[in-house]
Amino acid sequence: DIQMTQSPSSLSASVGDRVTITCRASQSISSYLNWYQQKPGKAPNLLIYAASSLQSGVPSRFSGSGSGTDFTLTISTLQPEDFATYYCQQSYNIPWTFGQGTEVEIK
Amino acid sequence: EVQLLESGGGLVQPGGSLRLSCAASGFTFSSYAMSWVRQAPGKGLEWVSGIGNSGSGTYYADSVKGRFTISRDNSKNTLYLQMNSLRVDDTAMYYCAKKVAGSNPFDYWGQGTLVTVSS
Repeated sequence: DIQMTQSPSSLSASVGDRVTITCRASQSISSYLNWYQQKPGKAPNLLIYAASSLQSGVPSRFSGSGSGTDFTLTISTLQPEDFATYYCQQSYNIPWTFGQGTEVEIK
Repeated sequence: EVQLLESGGGLVQPGGSLRLSCAASGFTFSSYAMSWVRQAPGKGLEWVSGIGNSGSGTYYADSVKGRFTISRDNSKNTLYLQMNSLRVDDTAMYYCAKKVAGSNPFDYWGQGTLVTVSS
């Protein structure tokens, strides 16, 4: 199975900050990397697919990059509604696996 | 509008069974692969099982293989998860999720149904 490791596990940031979350795969997954946002009590919501493609309706302050084993999710200017937990997920092969999550908290 | 509505969760004793359902609407159900993803309380996301658009291909996480069975009825636009021999560590919110077949993301998720396994 492909292991996905996110860092950090949590971070504190202020509105307006630039935030970067990293995700590392245990083997190369090309660009088959997706990012989801989850708010408390809600289902996950797709933000970025294929490492860098923005899902329809997602604000442009979210961006993704990377290929192979190392990936990043960047929020250019953190907004109040962005405080949530973020997960990466590989769609290279089954079993589909997720990172452990990164909780973005208000500083 | 795409909608996925899960049902069938509840409290069950260890060793018991439950059948989850996911009613789909707003898209051509028979054209899309589907999966179940679970989340234990306070924990991360874990893919559980997936099925191809026609139902011919089924896939399972090792943690549920031999105990859970995924199926679908394209005439009823409904996805199922039959869960047998339930264990305490199967306690979780269970989400159904839609995806295009192949190496594509889960683009829509239901709101989940809670399964609690406890004596």
